[in-house]
Amino acid sequence: DADVTQTPRNRITKTGKRIMLECSQTKGHDRMYWYRQDPGLGLRLIYYSFDVKDINKGEISDGYSVSRQAQAKFSLSLESAIPNQTALYFCATSESGEGYNEQFFGPGTRLTVL
Amino acid sequence: LAKTTQPISMDSYEGQEVNITCSHNNIATNDYITWYQQFPSQGPRFIIQGYKTKVTNEVASLFIPADRKSSTLSLPRVSLSDTAVYYCLVGYSSASKIIFGSGTRLSIRP
Repeated sequence: DADVTQTPRNRITKTGKRIMLECSQTKGHDRMYWYRQDPGLGLRLIYYSFDVKDINKGEISDGYSVSRQAQAKFSLSLESAIPNQTALYFCATSESGEGYNEQFFGPGTRLTVL
Repeated sequence: LAKTTQPISMDSYEGQEVNITCSHNNIATNDYITWYQQFPSQGPRFIIQGYKTKVTNEVASLFIPADRKSSTLSLPRVSLSDTAVYYCLVGYSSASKIIFGSGTRLSIRP
């Protein structure tokens, strides 16, 4: 079984709709992240959480919100989807601690906003 | 924020050694240098990480000069399956300091 799972894997929605992307992990990591990737570009950080009580904005948090329901679950919501939020969304996890900790990525969710 | 610069694309042939260089002129004392590999429609996968000098694992080597303003990922004897995008990251444990750039698109030909 995959250590980091994302649901749904694909989603098509309409402008103005509220949608939620979910991420679950079995790695026991405290830190979780949400990224988006646009075609031909690198990943941009949306939000990150270092533990259940910690939520931080990344580079591009406008139009998004998150919820850390438990150590293993981190959800990303688009309150009112717009077409330029069409992208590939990745969840990632990492251990806590000093230095740089390897991030483990989920398979991604392809979101299309019409 | 530490910013990295790497070539947009590179081409090579099976069996060759491939070296991808990344520039990070404003690297901070605590920053580590990390490389990820990404295949289409998949999440990035960690390849190697280093702080200084040379690091080697079963898939790659990472060379870091004394001034740490650049680093080179070396892939020995590449195969077609090494065709992917490679990202160089510079950062510490705080996620806000870690940026994925546009990466280097490596194409391996038979």
